[in-house]
Amino acid sequence: QKEVEQDPGPLSVPEGAIVSLNCTYSNSAFQYFMWYRQYSRKGPELLMYTYSSGNKEDGRFTAQVDKSSKYISLFIRDSQPSDSATYLCAISQGAQKLVFGQGTRLTINP
Amino acid sequence: GAGVSQSPRYKVAKRGQDVALRCDPISGHVSLFWYQQALGQGPEFLTYFQNEAQLDKSGLPSDRFFAERPEGSVSTLKIQRTQQEDSAVYLCASFPRSVNTEAFFGQGTRLTVV
Repeated sequence: QKEVEQDPGPLSVPEGAIVSLNCTYSNSAFQYFMWYRQYSRKGPELLMYTYSSGNKEDGRFTAQVDKSSKYISLFIRDSQPSDSATYLCAISQGAQKLVFGQGTRLTINP
Repeated sequence: GAGVSQSPRYKVAKRGQDVALRCDPISGHVSLFWYQQALGQGPEFLTYFQNEAQLDKSGLPSDRFFAERPEGSVSTLKIQRTQQEDSAVYLCASFPRSVNTEAFFGQGTRLTVV
């Protein structure tokens, strides 16, 4: 079993829809939870990070962490075609390596 | 430079050839990671440096892989006797402190072994 599981999709939604992306993880020692966006042929770009449980909002993006369920989510409101990319969750214990999910390929259709 | 720079962007190597991939981190960033990303997969950890010290190399897939960061800035990932299964994008990331919540990635080097 992988340390971080993420549905690879692909996920296709109409413009303006709310998108929900999710990951589960197995190691309860993880404390830092990140979401990266990766456009084709580019490196991952940090969107948001959350420490421990709770919600964090940044514009149209909301990250949620539920440590009791070992479940993290990213919500995108009012999705735009420019949001079309692969979304990667990444988890770590702090100074150690980031452990990535497989990535979910998202397409927003105009 | 403004971001993490990797070179070359693309490399085609014949099976058995040695390759060297370079990473220029953001100036002043103490910590540096190398990751390997296969097509359609998330990045997989290879190795981690803090300054010039290689603190974790548990992700290097074989002894053909070697990484160094001799002066605590530029890093090189070397792959000896390349195999087809080494074909992937190799990503470098740097971050300013010991906690990796602000890791910045380069655009990667796409290695194709033929």
